[in-house]
Amino acid sequence: DAGVIQSPRHEVTEMGQEVTLRCKPISGHNSLFWYRQTMMRGLELLIYFNNNVPIDDSGMPEDRFSAKMPNASFSTLKIQPSEPRDSAVYFCASSRNNYGYTFGSGTRLTVV
Amino acid sequence: TQLLEQSPQFLSIQEGENLTVYCNSSSVFSSLQWYRQEPGEGPVLLVTVVTGGEVKKLKRLTFQFGDARKDSSLHITAAQPGDTGLYLCAGYNQAGTALIFGKGTTLSVSS
Repeated sequence: DAGVIQSPRHEVTEMGQEVTLRCKPISGHNSLFWYRQTMMRGLELLIYFNNNVPIDDSGMPEDRFSAKMPNASFSTLKIQPSEPRDSAVYFCASSRNNYGYTFGSGTRLTVV
Repeated sequence: TQLLEQSPQFLSIQEGENLTVYCNSSSVFSSLQWYRQEPGEGPVLLVTVVTGGEVKKLKRLTFQFGDARKDSSLHITAAQPGDTGLYLCAGYNQAGTALIFGKGTTLSVSS
């Protein structure tokens, strides 16, 4: 298996622009998680899905953030409009029955 | 709010030295996981400890879960440059539905 695949690896955008991050989980994994990592706050859970259904989005910073999982093999995290404080590394992870997470390589987002 | 506190935040040592890093909480966890993250990559699961007092070994790495299941430690014997990375501990949130992470210990091993 190719593992969890995230795209793009790097994204630089101007403040106010829309940003879409993409994730392909491991086939057969039924849980998907979006995390954000910064030096100050470490790894923060944003949202997670179980069987494509959002279970808890209480970690999403504000209404500018949204996530979808239209099918078992694809998820997106969208930020609209983006702000400089959104700059971070965003990780997607998947697991089978919420055990032993496999992380993607992350998307490094820079908002200028 | 459940928190996992890791110490030290940074550790820089010479090849061949031994070290221990810690993960502490005021909350009881059903299990704790340890991950290692290398620059530019996502965290990779090393081990899960489940039973209070449990000790698990992974080559030169020894993981221990506290008796009260509120803390864990990672001991590395004879560290090598390849051990360099960010070590993260993680436990399930109160609902048991997702992992929360400590901020990690950044280890640098020089030859």
